[in-house]
Amino acid sequence: DAGVIQSPRHEVTEMGQEVTLRCKPISGHNSLFWYRQTMMRGLELLIYFNNNVPIDDSGMPEDRFSAKMPNASFSTLKIQPSEPRDSAVYFCASSLDAAGTDTQYFGPGTRLTVL
Amino acid sequence: KNQVEQSPQSLIILEGKNCTLQCNYTVSPFSNLRWYKQDTGRGPVSLTIMTFSENTKSNGRYTATLDADTKQSSLHITASQLSDSASYICVVLSNFGNEKLTFGTGTRLTIIP
Repeated sequence: DAGVIQSPRHEVTEMGQEVTLRCKPISGHNSLFWYRQTMMRGLELLIYFNNNVPIDDSGMPEDRFSAKMPNASFSTLKIQPSEPRDSAVYFCASSLDAAGTDTQYFGPGTRLTVL
Repeated sequence: KNQVEQSPQSLIILEGKNCTLQCNYTVSPFSNLRWYKQDTGRGPVSLTIMTFSENTKSNGRYTATLDADTKQSSLHITASQLSDSASYICVVLSNFGNEKLTFGTGTRLTIIP
């Protein structure tokens, strides 16, 4: 298996623009997670899905952020409008089951820079 | 408030030496504790997952311990190698209602030849 796939790997955009990050989880995994990592705040869970349904989105910073999982093999994280403070590395991870006991496998991340 | 604190923030040791990283948590109720290794520019990779009843768990040269009474965990690295240079992140899961992950800010380990 190719592991968790994320695209793009790098994104540079201007403040106010819409940004869409994409993730393909490992085939057969039922849970998908979106994380954000910065030097100041470390790793933060934004939202996670189980069987394509959002279970916990309490980590989503504000209404500018939205995530979807239209099917078991694809998810998007959208930021509209983007702001400089959104600059971070965004990771997608998947696991066989919910957040509980299963190992999460992380993608390579998308480095977002908002100018 | 659930918190996970890691120490030291950074550590530099010579290749071949052993080291121990610490993780203290106040997460309750406790479900499990995970250690991740994150190489620069890459996503975290799981090293161990420990549940309440497990005191020690090994993964090659990595040994994690858990003391659920004192709410402390450690990650011991034996005979360090240059490839061990990475950030090590401690994550604790609680399961009161919705499952919640609380993350430490990590220890940055540098191995020098």
